Amino acid sequence: KNEVEQSPQNLTAQEGEFITINCSYSVGISALHWLQQHPGGGIVSLFMLSSGKKKHGRLIATINIQEKHSSLHITASHPRDSAVYICAVSGATNKLIFGTGTLLAVQP
Amino acid sequence: DTEVTQTPKHLVMGMTNKKSLKCEQHMGHRAMYWYKQKAKKPPELMFVYSYEKLSINESVPSRFSPECPNSSLLNLHLHALQPEDSALYLCASSHPTSRSYNEQFFGPGTRLTVL
Repeated sequence: KNEVEQSPQNLTAQEGEFITINCSYSVGISALHWLQQHPGGGIVSLFMLSSGKKKHGRLIATINIQEKHSSLHITASHPRDSAVYICAVSGATNKLIFGTGTLLAVQP
Repeated sequence: DTEVTQTPKHLVMGMTNKKSLKCEQHMGHRAMYWYKQKAKKPPELMFVYSYEKLSINESVPSRFSPECPNSSLLNLHLHALQPEDSALYLCASSHPTSRSYNEQFFGPGTRLTVL
């Protein structure tokens, strides 16, 4: 079993829909990261969370430390949101532990 | 300057060639990373430099040779690669005092094809 699990693996939505991507982890962490990667492109850090909730534009990330679970929400989704969303966790070392990613396609 | 730059964007090389990938950041970060990413997979950590010293080598074959000439630059020297080494190579950097939080800033990557 992976230390960081994401669901769903693939997600197709219609433009304007509310989207939720989930991440569960089984290790102790200092922070959880949500990353975005467009096809063939580099990785952009969307959020770094150690507790509670963060919001940036149409993106919202939440974390429940007791349940070892985080969600990434996208409100009013748009085709430009189509990308791979990766959950990763960090702890006592310089290493990030990555989930397998969620491929999101938002259709117009 | 809040970005990590990588050159070249694309590289095609034969198995007998020697080439280098370059990564640069001017954010004052003192930790720098090389990752390898195959299609539809998350990045795999290869090397970590902390204060210009190699701190993590994830058992990477010696045909990959990292170098950190100064705090802003990170190179990856390539020699005698195999076709299975074809991948997206990503560089990242992070601030040393955020060790456990480890917010990493990624470059756009170099798409490497080994023929």
